[in-house]
Amino acid sequence: NAGVTQTPKFRVLKTGQSMTLLCAQDMNHEYMYWYRQDPGMGLRLIHYSVGEGTTAKGEVPDGYNVSRLKKQNFLLGLESAAPSQTSVYFCASNPPRQGTGELFFGEGSRLTVL
Amino acid sequence: SQQGEEDPQALSIQEGENATMNCSYKTSINNLQWYRQNSGRGLVHLILIRSNEREKHSGRLRVTLDTSKKSSSLLITASRAADTASYFCATDFTSGTYKYIFGTGTRLKVLA
Repeated sequence: NAGVTQTPKFRVLKTGQSMTLLCAQDMNHEYMYWYRQDPGMGLRLIHYSVGEGTTAKGEVPDGYNVSRLKKQNFLLGLESAAPSQTSVYFCASNPPRQGTGELFFGEGSRLTVL
Repeated sequence: SQQGEEDPQALSIQEGENATMNCSYKTSINNLQWYRQNSGRGLVHLILIRSNEREKHSGRLRVTLDTSKKSSSLLITASRAADTASYFCATDFTSGTYKYIFGTGTRLKVLA
């Protein structure tokens, strides 16, 4: 049981390039989330999903797109990366109908945009 | 702006002392959670307190919630060097959506 797995763990992009971060969970959780963490800012919610085929905007959605085609996967895309998107990205999942509301986090993906 | 604000931003104590950190939030909540993050790692859930609860304990952790003041506190008793980490509160401020918003965190350093 791997929990929440994020790939890649590290990536360096040039401004304007595109990329996709993959989050996979093997706990059959309904809800999944993408956060970004910047120094002194804590975690900010980018997008989240309450089930397969659904997505919703969080606090800072601009410049990102997401898809939840399969229940176990939540993809975060950057169509045209900007230096302001340099950050550590965390994925999390949550079983609202089964558990206490606890979020389970991946280990993070560190993205640098030059 | 973020929902939760932790106070203090940083805290340094000696091993064996108690550590208290506070979280204030802006809107009504369904529940409030506390998480720990070791440097460079993902967040780990510590404890959840619901809006109809006032106090909760888990091992050396004690959490209080004052919904009238929109604030919560996390107390770590008899701190250890291994407690050195950042601590965040997270609120589900709209009932039923499970849209969790995090605060800015408190960096705790426990000196051996």
